Amino acid sequence: TQLLEQSPQFLSIQEGENLTVYCNSSSVFSSLQWYRQEPGEGPVLLVTVVTGGEVKKLKRLTFQFGDARKDSSLHITAAQPGDTGLYLCAGGLGGSARQLTFGSGTQLTVLP
Amino acid sequence: ETGVTQSPTHLIKTRGQQVTLRCSSQSGHNTVSWYQQALGQGPQFIFQYYREEENGRGNFPPRFSGLQFPNYSSELNVNALELDDSALYLCASSLPYRQGLNTEAFFGQGTRLTVV
Repeated sequence: TQLLEQSPQFLSIQEGENLTVYCNSSSVFSSLQWYRQEPGEGPVLLVTVVTGGEVKKLKRLTFQFGDARKDSSLHITAAQPGDTGLYLCAGGLGGSARQLTFGSGTQLTVLP
Repeated sequence: ETGVTQSPTHLIKTRGQQVTLRCSSQSGHNTVSWYQQALGQGPQFIFQYYREEENGRGNFPPRFSGLQFPNYSSELNVNALELDDSALYLCASSLPYRQGLNTEAFFGQGTRLTVV
């Protein structure tokens, strides 16, 4: 069974602060995706990383995929209240969306 | 282009009953996956349908079953409901694997099922 562990589980910070969320596994994934989910909604894809050591930037969000493709991190610079939500990492096999293994999520609250 | 839509949005059922949840995939997507998300947890893969056939299944009992129709829409059926089945059920559609290196999954808003 492939498991993805996310940390921290909960994070509450002030607007303007930086934060990092971690996603770790003992398994190798061919791709890793980050989603954000808001209450009452389905997850929305933020990014897909596929190459070990890959770094992708999406405005104030920076995503890294570990060299061994077993771990990933999401760094947010100068967090804003609009960043509040549940952040989920999900590992995929074979480069497809065939079956995603999700982490348990990090609930981020950014206070104004 | 329409996104993934699910119905109903909320549902309350009694233990032992049966339920059917529905999903319309995004235009052009013929692969549909279903996930169960318990409160405070990440989604768990139930199964996937491609070209009207089951194409992968997670660790869920046989009372969880599904269908996919020629228009790629899909149903999730759960028989003999248990209290632990209370969760958000998510449908995700994607392009067929062979058409892309990384076929992204696009999720619907989910159906909140409460079993009492």
